[in-house]
Amino acid sequence: EVQLVQSGAEVKKPGESLRISCKGSGYSFTSYWISWVRQMPGKGLEWMGRIDPSESHTNYSPSFQGHVTISADKSISTAYLQWTSLKASDTAMYYCARNWNYGEFDYWGQGTLVTVSS
Amino acid sequence: QSVLTQPPSVSGAPGQRVTISCTGSSSNIGAGYDVHWYQQLPGTAPKLLIYGNNNRPSGVPDRFSGSKSGTSASLAITGLQAEDEADYYCQSYDSSLSGPPFGTGTKVTVL
Repeated sequence: EVQLVQSGAEVKKPGESLRISCKGSGYSFTSYWISWVRQMPGKGLEWMGRIDPSESHTNYSPSFQGHVTISADKSISTAYLQWTSLKASDTAMYYCARNWNYGEFDYWGQGTLVTVSS
Repeated sequence: QSVLTQPPSVSGAPGQRVTISCTGSSSNIGAGYDVHWYQQLPGTAPKLLIYGNNNRPSGVPDRFSGSKSGTSASLAITGLQAEDEADYYCQSYDSSLSGPPFGTGTKVTVL
């Protein structure tokens, strides 16, 4: 069974760093891109960027380039989304999802809620 | 602002047919890239509803159908049911973005 399991909810203060994770199982992790998707409270889905775990090649949406870092460790089938200095506006639900090249997101993680508040 | 535009909301009575449009451009839908649709129920992760413009994953009722023409695509829900009340998002690939953006999202309300 294909699964993407994300790390748990986080509560952080502005300026702190954070890394959340997404572990794939039940499939060849290096055969699919992993994307990160942001959903701010009451808002729509925003594609942030993606990584090809086989080569760690990344693409970022211009809206998120320079604000986050996407990485992966194929040895443990895990992708990461990282911030070096969180802001209150980073408060959101973050989903990981897999797709093949230009295709659909067929499996999604359960989501990780990130709350940034002083 | 997303490169794929959807109406913010649509509504219909039980049993009716509703459609949701997804308008793109020559760098995404118009370039020939497939359109996919997702349903998001409150408090849950999005779920794939239609892939490859008009294909339903196993388990998705045939009340849901998709189409694509030119730089736009549409999702139709026939025989609307109370359980269809959710947010719906289109998605494609954009060559300018080098990535797969989502549409702005549409809330479907069952009257």
